Amino acid sequence: QKEVEQNSGPLSVPEGAIASLNCTYSDRGSQSFFWYRQYSGKSPELIMSIYSNGDKEDGRFTAQLNKASQYVSLLIRDSQPSDSATYLCAVNRGDTGRRALTFGSGTRLQVQP
Amino acid sequence: GAVVSQHPSWVICKSGTSVKIECRSLDFQATTMFWYRQFPKQSLMLMATSNEGSKATYEQGVEKDKFLINHASLTLSTLTVTSAHPEDSSFYICSARDLSGSGRSRYFGPGTRLTVL
Repeated sequence: QKEVEQNSGPLSVPEGAIASLNCTYSDRGSQSFFWYRQYSGKSPELIMSIYSNGDKEDGRFTAQLNKASQYVSLLIRDSQPSDSATYLCAVNRGDTGRRALTFGSGTRLQVQP
Repeated sequence: GAVVSQHPSWVICKSGTSVKIECRSLDFQATTMFWYRQFPKQSLMLMATSNEGSKATYEQGVEKDKFLINHASLTLSTLTVTSAHPEDSSFYICSARDLSGSGRSRYFGPGTRLTVL
């Protein structure tokens, strides 16, 4: 079992719709969760971080965390063609800066104009 | 957000040569930096954790004598690919955390694309 699992996609949604991206993780000790967006040929860009159960909203983005189910998701409202990218879920066991993130394989999102 | 730079952004070299990649935190100090490698259509794989003033910690399967890491200051870590071969061609990305901030996020450099001929 992979430590962080994501559906590779592509997930295709029409412009203006809600895109829902999901991620599961295997380590129950995980405490920090991140969503990154990566455009082709570029390095990842941080979109959201979440550390406690529940929802966290930032503009068009909402991250949801359920530690009991070991599940984290990202909702993108009013999807735009510019949101088309690969979205990487990343997990960290602790909250110290000395631990690296473990990444999922990413979900490719395509927003159709 | 915090800024992390990498240099060079891309490099092409002949097989057998060594290549040095620099990672700098521009507006914050980073006692720990991380080096990742990403092959086409794959996710980021951690290569090593670079600690300022001490030896790097390498992930299983990563040759420490081939990928030399030096973290000489709180703002600079370097990765040297020694005797590079075509299979080392990849996208190398560094990451650092701003310890002065309240968050626990890591910021990524823009990456270095290495092509070994």
